[in-house]
Amino acid sequence: QKEVEQNSGPLSVPEGAIASLNCTYSDRGSQSFFWYRQYSGKSPELIMFIYSNGDKEDGRFTAQLNKASQYVSLLIRDSQPSDSATYLCAVNGILTGGGNKLTFGTGTQLKVEL
Amino acid sequence: EPEVTQTPSHQVTQMGQEVILRCVPISNHLYFYWYRQILGQKVEFLVSFYNNEISEKSEIFDDQFSVERPDGSNFTLKIRSTKLEDSAMYFCASSEAGYQPQHFGDGTRLSIL
Repeated sequence: QKEVEQNSGPLSVPEGAIASLNCTYSDRGSQSFFWYRQYSGKSPELIMFIYSNGDKEDGRFTAQLNKASQYVSLLIRDSQPSDSATYLCAVNGILTGGGNKLTFGTGTQLKVEL
Repeated sequence: EPEVTQTPSHQVTQMGQEVILRCVPISNHLYFYWYRQILGQKVEFLVSFYNNEISEKSEIFDDQFSVERPDGSNFTLKIRSTKLEDSAMYFCASSEAGYQPQHFGDGTRLSIL
């Protein structure tokens, strides 16, 4: 059974601080890694994706991948109240030549406090 | 920015009835997916579709479920005889290639009475 694990939170950070969200996955064959943001009652919104070991930065967001440790993280710098949401880690399996399903974690609820 | 569109936004149906959920994927995308999310639970994969056929399906996607691409733009999910436990948000997603990011529609909230 391929699993993606996240701490459900809530993770509370003050406005302007760095929020650090973590995710581990069980399938060593996983190829692609995604972070989605989901506001309550809404659909998942793509925030970041990463394919290779190391860091990838986009604006206030940095995704970090360590395939040896089967670990993905998302850093949010200068956190804003509008960042308050549930952050979903999703992992894509071995490329089969067809569509690739995403396996989601349960999500981490982030609260950015004024 | 191109987006995935889903209709209806909310569907209320009696148990045992058939429902069809509709999706228009992003126009240059080749891979299509359906996911569902039961209230308070994680997003779960149902089925992926490529080149006019199912490429992968989950255990949830049993004989009561089917997908179709009836024309060049629509992608549908049919549930033949709905059960109470089918109540959930159903999300359609699409991607350019199988390993690339999947973009989600706003979802259809399905309520089975």
